[in-house]
Amino acid sequence: DAKTTQPTSMDCAEGRAANLPCNHSTISGNEYVYWYRQIHSQGPQYIIHGLKNNETNEMASLIITEDRKSSTLILPHATLRDTAVYYCIVIRRNQGGSEKLVFGKGMKLTVNP
Amino acid sequence: DGGITQSPKYLFRKEGQNVTLSCEQNLNHDAMYWYRQDPGQGLRLIYYSQIVNDFQKGDIAEGYSVSREKKESFPLTVTSAQKNPTAFYLCASRLRQGETQYFGPGTRLLVL
Repeated sequence: DAKTTQPTSMDCAEGRAANLPCNHSTISGNEYVYWYRQIHSQGPQYIIHGLKNNETNEMASLIITEDRKSSTLILPHATLRDTAVYYCIVIRRNQGGSEKLVFGKGMKLTVNP
Repeated sequence: DGGITQSPKYLFRKEGQNVTLSCEQNLNHDAMYWYRQDPGQGLRLIYYSQIVNDFQKGDIAEGYSVSREKKESFPLTVTSAQKNPTAFYLCASRLRQGETQYFGPGTRLLVL
């Protein structure tokens, strides 16, 4: 699976949009971009995923560049409860085997009042 | 309420003791996973199971054992052979191959 690069940390004001970048310049055509987040001492929470098109759900939006080498997760109105470590990973689905998830160190988002 | 449950939330192990961590899901998911997370680190796969009565070793299976007698349950035993068991243990499951993995709340294991 392709590796991803994220900033180590980011701050955001409560109520503002949080734009979380991720680079995945070696992504293959059949690899999906997934975002999870982990609040301290809790299990990772799935947020959203996409292949080529932009995606939106009740939690966030995912914008993938046309060349698919980078993406941005957007939390439209950040709240204090969005403070967490955010993981951007790329996964080749239906690959057989374990399909294990490989999380890097992620990016710590701190939402400030 | 559907989801993945893990118990207990905290578990203490004495030297030489085996302990079992519970993972249950009522999502009718086929596959279940056990990961270990150390402070400031990513996830490492311990064991996974894609169907009942079958499971495979992950990257760090030594000192651990599992069973999958029922679709909804995938308990993990940390044996005395695991010399550094202190970690956060995460169970995950997915419906079918290629589908999203969802995680339970985790169990933190501490050695006394």
